[in-house]
Amino acid sequence: AQRVTQPEKLLSVFKGAPVELKCNYSYSGSPELFWYVQYSRQRLQLLLRHISRESIKGFTADLNKGETSFHLKKPFAQEEDSAMYYCALSGNTGFQKLVFGTGTRLLVSP
Amino acid sequence: DSGVTQTPKHLITATGQRVTLRCSPRSGDLSVYWYQQSLDQGLQFLIQYYNGEERAKGNILERFSAQQFPDLHSELNLSSLELGDSALYFCASSAQGANGNTIYFGEGSWLTVV
Repeated sequence: AQRVTQPEKLLSVFKGAPVELKCNYSYSGSPELFWYVQYSRQRLQLLLRHISRESIKGFTADLNKGETSFHLKKPFAQEEDSAMYYCALSGNTGFQKLVFGTGTRLLVSP
Repeated sequence: DSGVTQTPKHLITATGQRVTLRCSPRSGDLSVYWYQQSLDQGLQFLIQYYNGEERAKGNILERFSAQQFPDLHSELNLSSLELGDSALYFCASSAQGANGNTIYFGEGSWLTVV
């Protein structure tokens, strides 16, 4: 079964501090991992996906298959980063759906 | 703008009523997904359609049903509404399945049951 765990409901940091949003997953095959961001109950926007290995808005995430993790990191948080962040997973064979974690609210204070 | 359109944006209705939420996927996308986002349950996958056929089912109640039409738009029907059905309902679309394809979300339909 597919499962995504985000252990922190809220992460509060000061502007300029490093940020790490944790995500662990459970999947028997090779997963595809994503991070989505949601500002103020608006639509979810794709932030990044592990297969593209890109950096968006200064955020990066590395898939660690040994630890089954896909933590989201940013070296210097900005106030505009305050939002809900969802880690999501899909399998990579057959016809897959996207399963989300419960989300972490990031609050960046000035 | 993700290209996924949902209507209505806001809806207030009474318990016991029935509502229909509509979704138009991005041009060319064959897959449509429905998600429910509530304060206590987080983001829950409801159902997925691909080119008119149901492909995956999640935590969708029997009071809820969905379909995807030949023009690829989709409708989510919610009946015998209860207070707990109040939530933000998202539609999303992708070219095919979630694997290897980016899923784009609409802005959601806010449903309030009073």
